[in-house]
Amino acid sequence: AQTVTQSQPEMSVQEAETVTLSCTYDTSENNYYLFWYKQPPSRQMILVIRQEAYKQQNATENRFSVNFQKAAKSFSLKISDSQLGDTAMYFCAFIPYTGTASKLTFGTGTRLQVTL
Amino acid sequence: AAGVIQSPRHLIKEKRETATLKCYPIPRHDTVYWYQQGPGQDPQFLISFYEKMQSDKGSIPDRFSAQQFSDYHSELNMSSLELGDSALYFCASSYRGYEQYFGPGTRLTVT
Repeated sequence: AQTVTQSQPEMSVQEAETVTLSCTYDTSENNYYLFWYKQPPSRQMILVIRQEAYKQQNATENRFSVNFQKAAKSFSLKISDSQLGDTAMYFCAFIPYTGTASKLTFGTGTRLQVTL
Repeated sequence: AAGVIQSPRHLIKEKRETATLKCYPIPRHDTVYWYQQGPGQDPQFLISFYEKMQSDKGSIPDRFSAQQFSDYHSELNMSSLELGDSALYFCASSYRGYEQYFGPGTRLTVT
């Protein structure tokens, strides 16, 4: 079984600043994917970024980037130039690579507040 | 781009009633997942279907059942509703079990 841990229940950052959200996971799988999902007040679940475990290069999507440390089982999300629209709950999620229909295992989330 | 469609978006039912939630996956996606998210909680996996066959089952009550139809849409049927079933129900879809895209959710309130 997999577990995902997000140790920061809440974080706050000022607009235009950079913030890093932490995530650690535990698994015996060698092939898997990691994701960050954003859930704004609308409650929509939005895929922010993904990382394949077999790739050493850290994924980036515009202002969002990850620091993936496979040996340490760590997967942090860095948001640069924070914007008010980044205010949301952020969930780290794990999925083993089985080719079909694997469930996502989520962490408990980090609530990020971007302030003026 | 087309997204996952869920209907209805909001549903109010009384205890012991039945509810049916519908999900229309992104075109060409072959896998559908159902998740339940209670207030202040992370989404919990209920059940998934790959190519119209049940693929995996999570903490889904026996009162709930689901299926995927020939056009790949899926329905989650919930009977004998309890107050604790009040939650946001997400459907997600993927192609070959890779990244999952979520619908807007159905907010179920049981009174």
